[in-house]
Amino acid sequence: DTGVSQDPRHKITKRGQNVTFRCDPISEHNRLYWYRQTLGQGPEFLTYFQNEAQLEKSRLLSDRFSAERPKGSFSTLEIQRTEQGDSAMYLCASSSFTSGLGYNSPLHFGNGTRLTVT
Amino acid sequence: QKEVEQNSGPLSVPEGAIASLNCTYSDRVSQSFFWYRQYSGKSPELIMSIYSNGDKEDGRFTAQLNKASQYVSLLIRDSQPSDSATYLCAVKGTGRRALTFGSGTRLQVQP
Repeated sequence: DTGVSQDPRHKITKRGQNVTFRCDPISEHNRLYWYRQTLGQGPEFLTYFQNEAQLEKSRLLSDRFSAERPKGSFSTLEIQRTEQGDSAMYLCASSSFTSGLGYNSPLHFGNGTRLTVT
Repeated sequence: QKEVEQNSGPLSVPEGAIASLNCTYSDRVSQSFFWYRQYSGKSPELIMSIYSNGDKEDGRFTAQLNKASQYVSLLIRDSQPSDSATYLCAVKGTGRRALTFGSGTRLQVQP
């Protein structure tokens, strides 16, 4: 169990540019979540995948955001035409359906990608 | 009303004391409750999960759940300076696949 891995750890970009983040979940976890966290706030849910299917998207996820999880393994989160308000920590988490707890299983977070839009 | 509410703190306690962190939630039929610890600049780390009314103990940590009052708390006994962090309460509400987090309570343990 190597944990949830996110890349890059930090990204600085200019307003209007596109950025893409990658998340590799814990290998046996079939559920993958993206959250966004700004200073002084708790993580806010963005989107959820079960295997390769994107089953839920938050209203926070504007049409500039897109996420994929091809083959149900790693996931990518792309932000197009970045804005300064997109500056945040983007957290990926995974959980296992097979734990017997179903959707009540705890989430395991990666180290996050800190995005700064200048 | 926020779905999950926490006092932002900081909560300051002396080393060796009991720290008590509180959380209320709005969805009466929420099913599972979690406490995460987050050090500055790091990602949340799971400390405790609790699913039924009552107390659940794990080492120096005790989670308490009262579904009738829609209240969940975390007690940290023998607080250490290394416990200084932000503690996030997370709740899985009805019909939700994801956890909803509070904004966290910052704990400071004074040596």
